[in-house]
Amino acid sequence: AQTVTQSQPEMSVQEAETVTLSCTYDTSESDYYLFWYKQPPSRQMILVIRQEAYKQQNATENRFSVNFQKAAKSFSLKISDSQLGDAAMYFCAYRGNSGYALNFGKGTSLLVTP
Amino acid sequence: DTGVSQDPRHKITKRGQNVTFRCDPISEHNRLYWYRQTLGQGPEFLTYFQNEAQLEKSRLLSDRFSAERPKGSFSTLEIQRTEQGDSAMYLCASSLLSVNTEAFFGQGTRLTVV
Repeated sequence: AQTVTQSQPEMSVQEAETVTLSCTYDTSESDYYLFWYKQPPSRQMILVIRQEAYKQQNATENRFSVNFQKAAKSFSLKISDSQLGDAAMYFCAYRGNSGYALNFGKGTSLLVTP
Repeated sequence: DTGVSQDPRHKITKRGQNVTFRCDPISEHNRLYWYRQTLGQGPEFLTYFQNEAQLEKSRLLSDRFSAERPKGSFSTLEIQRTEQGDSAMYLCASSLLSVNTEAFFGQGTRLTVV
């Protein structure tokens, strides 16, 4: 079974600064997808960024980028120029190429301070 | 269509009662998923529908849980003889059939069993 580990229960960053959230995963598959989801308080989960394992290039979406290290099974999220609206729970998730379900980590609570 | 809709948003029930939740996915989405999220944890997969067919069920889905998706549109999740351990947020998500497509989540139904 695939497991996803987020080792940082909480992180804090000042507005306009950069923060990196860690995620590692365990799998025996060679082809899979990795995701970062954001869950603001009392609001629905939304996709932040996605990475296909077969792509060597790290995904980027505006202020959000990932550092995907396939051999190390690591998938960290970097948030640049942090904004107050970035405060939320962030979940790393894995889905195998032949599977349907997302396997989520326990999440990292991000606090953004003025 | 404004996204995945779940009803009710909150449900308080007495132990032993039956409850039913509804999920309306994004209209053109073939895939529908149910997840359960307890406090401090990431969502855990419960079950998956492709159109009206229930193709996968997690071991978490005990005999007391049943899900349906008649006609491949909305879905219901019923919990019979609720227990305190069933207290959680129940999330519904939907996506297109394509393997690398994004899953869109609803706001969830928060169940409290007293």
